[in-house]
Amino acid sequence: LAKTTQPISMDSYEGQEVNITCSHNNIATNDYITWYQQFPSQGPRFIIQGYKTKVTNEVASLFIPADRKSSTLSLPRVSLSDTAVYYCLVGDMGNTGFQKLVFGTGTRLLVSP
Amino acid sequence: DSGVTQTPKHLITATGQRVTLRCSPRSGDLSVYWYQQSLDQGLQFLIQYYNGEERAKGNILERFSAQQFPDLHSELNLSSLELGDSALYFCASSVVTSGSGEQFFGPGTRLTVL
Repeated sequence: LAKTTQPISMDSYEGQEVNITCSHNNIATNDYITWYQQFPSQGPRFIIQGYKTKVTNEVASLFIPADRKSSTLSLPRVSLSDTAVYYCLVGDMGNTGFQKLVFGTGTRLLVSP
Repeated sequence: DSGVTQTPKHLITATGQRVTLRCSPRSGDLSVYWYQQSLDQGLQFLIQYYNGEERAKGNILERFSAQQFPDLHSELNLSSLELGDSALYFCASSVVTSGSGEQFFGPGTRLTVL
């Protein structure tokens, strides 16, 4: 069962690049890594997902080293509206056995002007 | 708007009571997931259903149960409620059942047990 660890909080300024790392030392072979963004009193919202190497979409990049024991979410040029809590999720829902989806503890990002 | 609906939005009840939370997934999504979010525990995966069948189980208490109906909506039943059950309960849905894929989260039901 993958256990995930994230920094509790991070501070940044508008226009800067932010990198948030998630540690998942005992990730399983079939596990994917997914990052979600959550605003207060709202459900989490999908940002990006990957299995290995690098994935990029219109809002973020995800870097996963070869050993897959960690992953880094990169947000380019953050704005005030990126202030939120960011969660990494490790898990595989395809296994009919009772595999758990494990959310990280969440990183509270505060972006200042 | 994720397309996932949850009712009720707020629920206040007393210890020992039983409540039912309801979730309607996005149109076409066969998988439904339930999560509990409390201040001290973060986001905890409870259970997943796919097309009416239970597929995976997380940290779900024996006092809690869930089901998914033929029209794909799902209900989470919480019984013998305790103060510690106060939390936000989220439902999410996705179209894929394998390990990859995006989950769409509903707005949540805030449960307060007094």
